[in-house]
Amino acid sequence: ELKVEQNPLFLSMQEGKNYTIYCNYSTTSDRLYWYRQDPGKSLESLFVLLSNGAVKQEGRLMASLDTKARLSTLHITAAVHDLSATYFCAVDIRSNYQLIWGAGTKLIIKP
Amino acid sequence: EAGVAQSPRYKIIEKRQSVAFWCNPISGHATLYWYQQILGQGPKLLIQFQNNGVVDDSQLPKDRFSAERLKGVDSTLKIQPAKLEDSAVYLCASSLWTEETQYFGPGTRLLVL
Repeated sequence: ELKVEQNPLFLSMQEGKNYTIYCNYSTTSDRLYWYRQDPGKSLESLFVLLSNGAVKQEGRLMASLDTKARLSTLHITAAVHDLSATYFCAVDIRSNYQLIWGAGTKLIIKP
Repeated sequence: EAGVAQSPRYKIIEKRQSVAFWCNPISGHATLYWYQQILGQGPKLLIQFQNNGVVDDSQLPKDRFSAERLKGVDSTLKIQPAKLEDSAVYLCASSLWTEETQYFGPGTRLLVL
């Protein structure tokens, strides 16, 4: 069974702290996406990681991909309140180009 | 560039009624997706179109759900009859081609009473 597991599912942290969200997947893939969803809003694409060792950074967010370990991480540096949202990873199943989604990590950043 | 448009944004119906959702993808995007997102979960793919053809509808409950994309542009998703468990957000997404980044619309929140 194809699985994408995120952890933690819920994270409450203080502004200024660093933390990492993990995304493990159970099948071979070399394309992984990170999306952000604000409450009541739709999904916004953050990063697409296309190969083993890929690293992308945007502001305080950095995503990486290890295809051998079937693991992606989303690292938050010096968190600010505006980063409060739910973050999803999604894995591209190459055989049919469909995305398999994680359950999401709800991130709350307190002032 | 205009994003993915969806309507209505909200819909409340009683069980056994019918409902239809509309989606207009980003101009030029060949691939269109309908997802169901239940509160607290990730999106679940219902159906994927490539132009006006169905690529995958294996997770679409075909006894009650139907979708079409007749001219390869906008699309409609219908539920008939609705059940309580259909309460969810229905998201439409489009991409330039199948392996490209998907861009999502605002979604339609459906509540079945």
